[in-house]
Amino acid sequence: QKEVEQNSGPLSVPEGAIASLNCTYSDRGSQSFFWYRQYSGKSPELIMFIYSNGDKEDGRFTAQLNKASQYVSLLIRDSQPSDSATYLCAVIWGGKLIFGQGTELSVKP
Amino acid sequence: GAVVSQHPSRVICKSGTSVKIECRSLDFQATTMFWYRQFPKQSLMLMATSNEGSKATYEQGVEKDKFLINHASLTLSTLTVTSAHPEDSSFYICSASSRDMLGYTFGSGTRLTVV
Repeated sequence: QKEVEQNSGPLSVPEGAIASLNCTYSDRGSQSFFWYRQYSGKSPELIMFIYSNGDKEDGRFTAQLNKASQYVSLLIRDSQPSDSATYLCAVIWGGKLIFGQGTELSVKP
Repeated sequence: GAVVSQHPSRVICKSGTSVKIECRSLDFQATTMFWYRQFPKQSLMLMATSNEGSKATYEQGVEKDKFLINHASLTLSTLTVTSAHPEDSSFYICSASSRDMLGYTFGSGTRLTVV
């Protein structure tokens, strides 16, 4: 059974803080990892993808991948109220994009 | 960038009727399209994968005779919910990919309500 696990939250952080979102996956052979953001009633939008071990930074977002631990995380620096959404971790398995259950993030002004 | 157009965005239908949802890739050729369903407060669950010109592959537990998927061209895939029932009410989202793309592009979703 291929699984992607996330803490469903909700995760609440004050404005300006760092939000840390975590994801583990069961398939050691997985190579491609994605973070999507989904606002209520909308479809997911891609924030970042990462293939290699280590960190990948894009603006306020940093994705971290540790294949040995089968762990991928997303850090959001200087969190803003507009970052409040559900964050979905996804893994490509067998050519299909499989999602975790999502973590609801709330950024309080 | 890659754009996927999905229509309708919202539909209400009577129980027992059929509803068709369209998904079009506007600026690229989608060799593979994926259909997801999302219930409130839950994640996206993959229903089926379709490749242009071939039959769709359905995930375990998804009724292929109820959810008809057609991927007749490289830019269009359709999902038809046949004999819809209230429990089919959900948010349906398509996603497309091509050989040249990194990642997957999502349509805007269709909110189906069966009354």
